[in-house]
Amino acid sequence: GAVVSQHPSWVICKSGTSVKIECRSLDFQATTMFWYRQFPKQSLMLMATSNEGSKATYEQGVEKDKFLINHASLTLSTLTVTSAHPEDSSFYICSAAHGLAGYEQYFGPGTRLTVT
Amino acid sequence: DAKTTQPPSMDCAEGRAANLPCNHSTISGNEYVYWYRQIHSQGPQYIIHGLKNNETNEMASLIITEDRKSSTLILPHATLRDTAVYYCIVRVDGQAGTALIFGKGTTLSVSS
Repeated sequence: GAVVSQHPSWVICKSGTSVKIECRSLDFQATTMFWYRQFPKQSLMLMATSNEGSKATYEQGVEKDKFLINHASLTLSTLTVTSAHPEDSSFYICSAAHGLAGYEQYFGPGTRLTVT
Repeated sequence: DAKTTQPPSMDCAEGRAANLPCNHSTISGNEYVYWYRQIHSQGPQYIIHGLKNNETNEMASLIITEDRKSSTLILPHATLRDTAVYYCIVRVDGQAGTALIFGKGTTLSVSS
């Protein structure tokens, strides 16, 4: 199956700093990528939908100025957590939709963010 | 998307079949049933999907009732590595631009 990677796999940052997380589709072109957040013992929550070359669509309650999403190419989307605070500590997961196989979304391995 | 209802947890002995139920009583005619699983601290993994016919692949079988209001995911010979949270999701197929919306899923614990 198709492979989606995320970098870094884990990151620790200080409160007030910004962190960038990369999501790459390694062997296919993804016109659409999705970003999810998962708190401990909870399900995945959709944060935003990212289409290549256009602005991301954020879910209700997700601050677009705090979680900056850029989808500059068909294989790369980035999520930047700006001015991170301890409550932003979470597991961030991206997924990519294969244009030719609309029924499958391929998920990255996730990025564990800890804000101290 | 239609909502699904799954039991919060299930146990299964290693080597036995694991049958995970899912209710989707408000499913629309063009919505498919998808199953994903998430092993601890990893991204979700696609398992199988179907519309109304039963489906089987190398990982599992999917049994959908005739009225499509419920389905069962079957892992024929569960192993310890099948311990995970299993999510049943309904979605219109062919819409790559539509996100998967996850419910709470079923935590399957396989023990020896």
